[in-house]
Amino acid sequence: AQSVSQHNHHVILSEAASLELGCNYSYGGTVNLFWYVQYPGQHLQLLLKYFSGDPLVKGIKGFEAEFIKSKFSFNLRKPSVQWSDTAEYFCAAHAGNNRKLIWGLGTSLGVNP
Amino acid sequence: NAGVTQTPKFRILKIGQSMTLQCTQDMNHNYMYWYRQDPGMGLKLIYYSVGAGITDKGEVPNGYNVSRSTTEDFPLRLELAAPSQTSVYFCASSRSQETQYFGPGTRLLVL
Repeated sequence: AQSVSQHNHHVILSEAASLELGCNYSYGGTVNLFWYVQYPGQHLQLLLKYFSGDPLVKGIKGFEAEFIKSKFSFNLRKPSVQWSDTAEYFCAAHAGNNRKLIWGLGTSLGVNP
Repeated sequence: NAGVTQTPKFRILKIGQSMTLQCTQDMNHNYMYWYRQDPGMGLKLIYYSVGAGITDKGEVPNGYNVSRSTTEDFPLRLELAAPSQTSVYFCASSRSQETQYFGPGTRLLVL
């Protein structure tokens, strides 16, 4: 079955620390990949996405993610986090012709000022 | 441009009551979705629709019903509310397999 797994359920960092959140998907064919963010009390919004082309994609607020096909991974990174990055982060994938987005369980990020 | 709107924002139901969660989008998206979000459980797809008159079940459809008579609207119906349906409900829309745009959510408490 197609699935998306996020390695870290809870991450706590200090401001200015670097961030990397892991995401792996299980599908060997064409895949569209997404990272969504949910700030406290708000709805989900798109952080960045990969459909094709340059495997290093840049999103809003200084986030980036790298698609590594051989590792079935799409890890999210940010060189220096801020307190305002405190949020829940979700990785998701559209696999092949699947009409449904497959979601990871999310990673809760807390940033201490 | 309002995007995706949901009503109500918050509701308390008694066990056995029924209600309809409203969702409207003004982006002319064909695809619409209903999710529920529970702490630590991520998003679970309840129902989705790929166009007016076409709906299909997601992962957790039991206890819910949907209809899609227009492109804009995708209401979610709870017929006999149960405590297990206490959750936050999000509606989303997209153009095919692209970015999903989410509404602000409906927080439902069933007592």
